[in-house]
Amino acid sequence: DSGVTQTPKHLITATGQRVTLRCSPRSGDLSVYWYQQSLDQGLQFLIQYYNGEERAKGNILERFSAQQFPDLHSELNLSSLELGDSALYFCASSPTPGQGVTDTQYFGPGTRLTVL
Amino acid sequence: GENVEQHPSTLSVQEGDSAVIKCTYSDSASNYFPWYKQELGKGPQLIIDIRSNVGEKKDQRIAVTLNKTAKHFSLHITETQPEDSAVYFCAASANTGGGNKLTFGTGTQLKVEL
Repeated sequence: DSGVTQTPKHLITATGQRVTLRCSPRSGDLSVYWYQQSLDQGLQFLIQYYNGEERAKGNILERFSAQQFPDLHSELNLSSLELGDSALYFCASSPTPGQGVTDTQYFGPGTRLTVL
Repeated sequence: GENVEQHPSTLSVQEGDSAVIKCTYSDSASNYFPWYKQELGKGPQLIIDIRSNVGEKKDQRIAVTLNKTAKHFSLHITETQPEDSAVYFCAASANTGGGNKLTFGTGTQLKVEL
């Protein structure tokens, strides 16, 4: 158990809908990362937040957005869902943003999103 | 941006044999190289990592080597056991302005046969 929690575990929805995935980082970790894992794209970085502020952005679609709240939990919002958005979505956390030193990232169990 | 290539995509070994997985990276600014193990239905679990100021690191049956000049790093698992069967991912990261994104390889499905 990494200490990172994600809810829900599974999510089934229809095209065009909007969903919210939730992540609670390990106790004391200030950075939260979101990754998408699909069969054709592998594990892809989406976005990083540090202490409530966006720190790095990857291949995140404009239909997707994220935020980190004062209690450090994070939410990933996916809107206007398409069939191709079906994937595993992982959250990871690390202690600091890594001022000159890259932090170890610990992954949660993931949310499996199925878009029908 | 960073590109990480990983080989082989599948690896089958007999219990007790060694397994080696190799990765190459493209960005010379990358300075952190973790390896993750992912079992079915679970999230990636960190098993070992190495930073660019170190050439080799070992933890019991697992070792990682890094060749910065050639931009490649490898995972070595000795005395493999059935519970080592899983998908293994290498990754690379360069700390840029506080951003820490990991770029992953495509994964290696390791099967340890009895």
